[in-house]
Amino acid sequence: DAKTTQPPSMDCAEGRAANLPCNHSTISGNEYVYWYRQIHSQGPQYIIHGLKNNETNEMASLIITEDRKSSTLILPHATLRDTAVYYCIVRSPQTGANNLFFGTGTRLTVIP
Amino acid sequence: GAVVSQHPSWVICKSGTSVKIECRSLDFQATTMFWYRQFPKQSLMLMATSNEGSKATYEQGVEKDKFLINHASLTLSTLTVTSAHPEDSSFYICSALAGTSYEQYFGPGTRLTVT
Repeated sequence: DAKTTQPPSMDCAEGRAANLPCNHSTISGNEYVYWYRQIHSQGPQYIIHGLKNNETNEMASLIITEDRKSSTLILPHATLRDTAVYYCIVRSPQTGANNLFFGTGTRLTVIP
Repeated sequence: GAVVSQHPSWVICKSGTSVKIECRSLDFQATTMFWYRQFPKQSLMLMATSNEGSKATYEQGVEKDKFLINHASLTLSTLTVTSAHPEDSSFYICSALAGTSYEQYFGPGTRLTVT
C-alpha cells in the first residue's frame, strides 16, 4: 500500500480556507486519493476522493498534482465544526478490503 | 446515503466479563465489515475483516479467541470482547463495505471502558 505523509497539525481562522496537504509519492496508477475526517469521539466521515482530476463536492475540493505525488484538500470556508483530524488515504477501490490504512492524519483546529 | 449504526455507543464493564458490540448496515447489504480499534490520541488500527457467512480474518497481533467476530447476516456483524481487561478499554469502530461501490461506511463507534 502507498503510504501518505501529512503535517501533524494545522490551525485555520474561522471563515478562511483551510488547505491540508498530503504527500503520496509512491502512489500507483490505479490508486485513488481519499480523504476522511474524524471529529472527536465519532467514526470517520468520508469527505472526497479522486484519481487524477481535481474534484469538488459540497464539503470540499481536492487538488491533485499532475504527477499525482501530492494532493491538497481545501475547505473553502472553515467553520468551528470543521475542527477534526483529517486523514489522507490512498487505495484501490477494487480491492476495498483491508486497504484503508489510517496514518496519523492532520489535526485541524479552526480558531474563532 | 449509506448508514452504519453501532450499539451500544458506550459501555462500562467489569474486568473478566464479556461485552458484545453490534454493527449494522441500515440501508444496504454489506458482505464485508471491518472492525477497528482506536486508543486515545492514536489513529484507527484495523483489527479484523468480517465476511458474511465465513470466519473473520484477523490482523497480526489481534487475538481471535479474545475478539470474537460473527457476521451472521448481510446487515449485522458483532464483536465480542471476551474476558475483558482494562487494557481493552478503547474506541471500537466498525465499517461496512457497500457492494459494488467498494466504499467503506463507518459507524459512530463504541467506547468501551473496563474497570
